[in-house]
Amino acid sequence: QAGLTQPPSVSKGLRQTATLTCTGNSNNVGNQGAAWLQQYQGHPPKLLSYRNNNRPSGISERFSASRSGNTASLTITELQPEDEADYYCSAWDSSLSVWVFGGGTNLTVL
Amino acid sequence: QVQVVESGGGVVQPGRSLRLSCAASGFTFSTYGMHWVRQAPGKGLEWVAGIGYDGSFRWYVEPVKGRFTISRDNSKNTLHLQMNSLRREDTAVYFCAREADTAMDLWGQGALVTVSS
Repeated sequence: QAGLTQPPSVSKGLRQTATLTCTGNSNNVGNQGAAWLQQYQGHPPKLLSYRNNNRPSGISERFSASRSGNTASLTITELQPEDEADYYCSAWDSSLSVWVFGGGTNLTVL
Repeated sequence: QVQVVESGGGVVQPGRSLRLSCAASGFTFSTYGMHWVRQAPGKGLEWVAGIGYDGSFRWYVEPVKGRFTISRDNSKNTLHLQMNSLRREDTAVYFCAREADTAMDLWGQGALVTVSS
């Protein structure tokens, strides 16, 4: 089953801005948008945003999400060392009736 | 405290069965869809199965159809995943996750399932 496409890795400098992308199709990302999750090694994922740019309580404003067509993006400003983690996008695929995840992007803060 | 806690993981031989449970607390379990998501060692997240708030709808990823069954007991605030005919490729950490507004917003710590002879 088709998943969402994310770049495997992104590297940016301290206090810079990183933009992570997630590409799907009109049945998933292009339909209801994508959610973004952050995962540290050995820990469960944590929801960062949903419905493209809604942040759960407690999530920093440095994290913002958007969508253009079938591609969702997560922008992280003022990068901090603690932002080093794996980031996943997810969406419901209304055609396949399955949830799909991206392969994840490992973010390195230099 | 709002949380979900998985249990039932372990080591099992190929072809055998295992049942995972997820105990929910701190929220009205019966009003949320629930999911199982797995993560093989060193790999990304893979959605496995989902169930509607009242159990009337269930969905599965293709590789587990016919082998895994998701169920829930709203009277006990518990989610289950019955896994039969286990294969080595089912080895993973299995997370229980709550669905809210098109996202999985609450995750457990995960239960490790190792399929090995």
